[in-house]
Amino acid sequence: SQKIEQNSEALNIQEGKTATLTCNYTNYSPAYLQWYRQDPGRGPVFLLLIRENEKEKRKERLKVTFDTTLKQSLFHITASQPADSATYLCALGDSSYKLIFGSGTRLLVRP
Amino acid sequence: EAGVAQSPRYKIIEKRQSVAFWCNPISGHATLYWYQQILGQGPKLLIQFQNNGVVDDSQLPKDRFSAERLKGVDSTLKIQPAKLEDSAVYLCASSAGLAVQETQYFGPGTRLLVL
Repeated sequence: SQKIEQNSEALNIQEGKTATLTCNYTNYSPAYLQWYRQDPGRGPVFLLLIRENEKEKRKERLKVTFDTTLKQSLFHITASQPADSATYLCALGDSSYKLIFGSGTRLLVRP
Repeated sequence: EAGVAQSPRYKIIEKRQSVAFWCNPISGHATLYWYQQILGQGPKLLIQFQNNGVVDDSQLPKDRFSAERLKGVDSTLKIQPAKLEDSAVYLCASSAGLAVQETQYFGPGTRLLVL
């Protein structure tokens, strides 16, 4: 069955450093991948989308890579700030219009 | 632009009772989704509507869960009877269309606790 893995352990980094989050998947061939941010008590908020034929996407301090050979996406936040502290979810989709979400990784940025 | 609205925000019920959640999507959005998010997990799709028709309800426990989207706007999700394992956050989301890359906009969710 399809499986999406995100590091269940929280990532704890110092302000100003680059945060790198990982999303691995198996038994699936997604057409695209999305990253969402979720704060406690709130719904997920869309951040970035990357298609299967794209290697990298950037938006301000965010960068996403997508390696369909390794079946992995990396999500980077450069010059991280305490306000970036949240849970980050990856979600995979295909032509069926259905999104499958990972369990998320909690990021804590220390001042 | 107003976001996705959900009510109630919190609900506590006893097992075997019934409960209903309401969702008002972003104006003009044709596609509406209901997700269940159990603590520590990602959202899991329960049902997806395109206007007032069902696109996917393969993961909806149809013996106890039901959902409708009358007139292709608001939607309600009902659980009858509730079980302890239904304790979760129920998220509603909407998107403009049904394209594979559509951004989904989520509401704040309804937190359900079944005792």
